[in-house]
Amino acid sequence: GAVVSQHPSWVICKSGTSVKIECRSLDFQATTMFWYRQFPKQSLMLMATSNEGSKATYEQGVEKDKFLINHASLTLSTLTVTSAHPEDSSFYICSARDTTLGETQYFGPGTRLLVL
Amino acid sequence: GENVEQHPSTLSVQEGDSAVIKCTYSDSASNYFPWYKQELGKRPQLIIDIRSNVGEKKDQRIAVTLNKTAKHFSLHITETQPEDSAVYFCAASMGGGNKLTFGTGTQLKVEL
Repeated sequence: GAVVSQHPSWVICKSGTSVKIECRSLDFQATTMFWYRQFPKQSLMLMATSNEGSKATYEQGVEKDKFLINHASLTLSTLTVTSAHPEDSSFYICSARDTTLGETQYFGPGTRLLVL
Repeated sequence: GENVEQHPSTLSVQEGDSAVIKCTYSDSASNYFPWYKQELGKRPQLIIDIRSNVGEKKDQRIAVTLNKTAKHFSLHITETQPEDSAVYFCAASMGGGNKLTFGTGTQLKVEL
């Protein structure tokens, strides 16, 4: 149980285009999902907390107009990187918490984004 | 906000030896401390966690200790094996579904 999937697993795009990443909880409902960014050999940096049916809460320094988050259902959250630039190239990982299983956050497999 | 420091950044041990990774946190309101293992290019996997009402927790070769007064918590891996080689992250949270703040990670290498 408590499986989180992400799609796509990797994406290459041209500078200026937008990229949408999906995060799904496959066997549980998640009222809250989290989006992280991880640069090579660095830690996971929280970008935003995604709440089902309401606006996401962004961490300081994260541009909410550039990283659009939508959490329209209890099993799906999406992150859209708008007008992507090479500096947005990174590993994007989501996590979700199954409230019936306590505090544990389960991570998706991540999406590797390369902006050319 | 919460700040989590983690040491060492790299750790090399011989197979069969023990490994210890230490973290400190700043927010006394934090009460949930998980440890994640991340292999290269893969998702972080929870290996053990501890809540602030417990001082120690053990799961086979892995144990975590927590000192609330000093705001320290540590991961102990005994009888290390090559498959333990990975990056380990500690994290802290106020619980209740609140966000995790991660440490900077420790690259553990278990040598034959």
